Amino acid sequence: DAKTTQPTSMDCAEGRAANLPCNHSTISGNEYVYWYRQIHSQGPQYIIHGLKNNETNEMASLIITEDRKSSTLILPHATLRDTAVYYCIVRVLSNFGNEKLTFGTGTRLTIIP
Amino acid sequence: NAGVTQTPKFRILKIGQSMTLQCTQDMNHNYMYWYRQDPGMGLKLIYYSVGAGITDKGEVPNGYNVSRSTTEDFPLRLELAAPSQTSVYFCASSYAQISNQPQHFGDGTRLSIL
Repeated sequence: DAKTTQPTSMDCAEGRAANLPCNHSTISGNEYVYWYRQIHSQGPQYIIHGLKNNETNEMASLIITEDRKSSTLILPHATLRDTAVYYCIVRVLSNFGNEKLTFGTGTRLTIIP
Repeated sequence: NAGVTQTPKFRILKIGQSMTLQCTQDMNHNYMYWYRQDPGMGLKLIYYSVGAGITDKGEVPNGYNVSRSTTEDFPLRLELAAPSQTSVYFCASSYAQISNQPQHFGDGTRLSIL
């Protein structure tokens, strides 16, 4: 199973772009990179996912390196409500072809006023 | 839109008691999952289901049981509560097995075993 490595914590000034890195050097060719976040006391919230190409939605952008060994989640204009733990996850298929999400400890992002 | 609904939100149990954590989703998702999250840690998969009548174990199934009689509901049962089961429990669902479908989570059940 591909593992991910993320910094434990990061700060970002309100209104600035928050760039959260993730290393997944053992990712295989058919595994997607997913980002979820968890705001205090709530369930994880899906943000974005990608396979090879860069992706953008209303919440964030995902930049995946050409070798797919790392990626960066970008929150273009961070607000105080973006303070959360951000999880970078590689989707894994179990032995029976069913999926599970392997959550690490994530990056605790704090937006500074 | 309701999404994934978990009840109760909070519960305190005594050692040895039993209870059922309820989870229901209104998105017609085939896949449903139960995770637990201990303080400061990531989520760990307890059980999952790929459709009504089909369930399978995740990483940490000991001490828990599940059933899936309908597409909408996926209850998690603790038969003999132990202090090690103090945790926050999250239920999730997804549309299909294929990799590009995200999981949708409920807001969790905070369970304390005393």
